[in-house]
Amino acid sequence: DAGITQSPRHKVTETGTPVTLRCHQTENHRYMYWYRQDPGHGLRLIHYSYGVKDTDKGEVSDGYSVSRSKTEDFLLTLESATSSQTSVYFCAISDETRQPDYGYTFGSGTRLTVV
Amino acid sequence: SQQGEEDPQALSIQEGENATMNCSYKTSINNLQWYRQNSGRGLVHLILIRSNEREKHSGRLRVTLDTSKKSSSLLITASRAADTASYFCATDSSGNTPLVFGKGTRLSVIA
Repeated sequence: DAGITQSPRHKVTETGTPVTLRCHQTENHRYMYWYRQDPGHGLRLIHYSYGVKDTDKGEVSDGYSVSRSKTEDFLLTLESATSSQTSVYFCAISDETRQPDYGYTFGSGTRLTVV
Repeated sequence: SQQGEEDPQALSIQEGENATMNCSYKTSINNLQWYRQNSGRGLVHLILIRSNEREKHSGRLRVTLDTSKKSSSLLITASRAADTASYFCATDSSGNTPLVFGKGTRLSVIA
């Protein structure tokens, strides 16, 4: 999606290894979010950020950490990957000057498989 | 925990028919939004309705909101095969609180 990219798009990793997913935006939006999507659960919020170095936990934050050292980048780290973290991860951004009228803009997602 | 619950979970209709999806939520909201997700892609924002609004239109989309029943409906008129996707409602309790999404309705439009 325009203005927001996620990397990698696909990743397979082993149980117990750390994994970092990256979300990069070119829109200079203040708010950034990480969600995971699983069958039967819809999207659930992991962590979000409301500015550089300002982050907060979401509904399913256990086992995840985030960092935002620059406006454009929001990193999600799985500290020690487990099979239950196999999921599709979506990053989203929103613009506080126009929100909520324009809603969130989502990235294309990262499909993570933990074996 | 999920705030919104969409109903039905899956819906299959013929091209040209109208599709109606419902969303119920549990707590007071600031606004309610609907998103579409095509298979394997990110979500796309469709329409937003504020808590003090009852109905809103955008092209072939019509959204209603009944805050007394804590429910919303999304109507897609004259559906097309390209409308085949999953549709999600999302709510926030106040400005700048993150959106909470429902589990979605899978819509199949058969040509």
